Amino acid sequence: QQQVKQSPQSLIVQKGGISIINCAYENTAFDYFPWYQQFPGKGPALLIAIRPDVSEKKEGRFTISFNKSAKQFSLHIMDSQPGDSATYFCAANYGGSQGNLIFGKGTKLSVKP
Amino acid sequence: DAGITQSPRHKVTETGTPVTLRCHQTENHRYMYWYRQDPGHGLRLIHYSYGVKDTDKGEVSDGYSVSRSKTEDFLLTLESATSSQTSVYFCAAQGFGSDTEAFFGQGTRLTVV
Repeated sequence: QQQVKQSPQSLIVQKGGISIINCAYENTAFDYFPWYQQFPGKGPALLIAIRPDVSEKKEGRFTISFNKSAKQFSLHIMDSQPGDSATYFCAANYGGSQGNLIFGKGTKLSVKP
Repeated sequence: DAGITQSPRHKVTETGTPVTLRCHQTENHRYMYWYRQDPGHGLRLIHYSYGVKDTDKGEVSDGYSVSRSKTEDFLLTLESATSSQTSVYFCAAQGFGSDTEAFFGQGTRLTVV
């Protein structure tokens, strides 16, 4: 059972364009929704994250939009740059005493110059 | 990599042999995770730990076992390696609370021949 569904699997955007990646979840116990960025040959690294009591969070060119009622969230990359070319993973986490961090299948983003 | 070290970084092993991958962290993080990354499947959780000697299964735990005898070390063992376990394995460590960042190691590329 895939707990976090991510789309699209791949995305090609022109330099300066907007990249949009979407995710959906089922488990309402999740209480934190991070996005991770991964470059080839490297481990994923935290990019930006949001809690479900916030509808939007912006950090520089990166924005998360969160729709709690629809159980969906998305990453928007404004003014996309070739250096943004990477694989992006959405994730969902619930903590408490045990913790659990589940990832989507990833989106490979290519930004063309 | 925030003090997350995986060893070995690369390994080739034969079908049927046991293999142990090691993850070492220096930041005293509570949670530790093992994921495998395969094309089209993203990051899939194998096992995780929420404290010394406290572990639980993830989505794809069959054929794998883990141990955590010290806070800083989390071992992943393939009891009898199969070709389907050829993958890139990532370890992650996270502090207490779902809203803390998870830090990843550089990955271990395992090939089972």
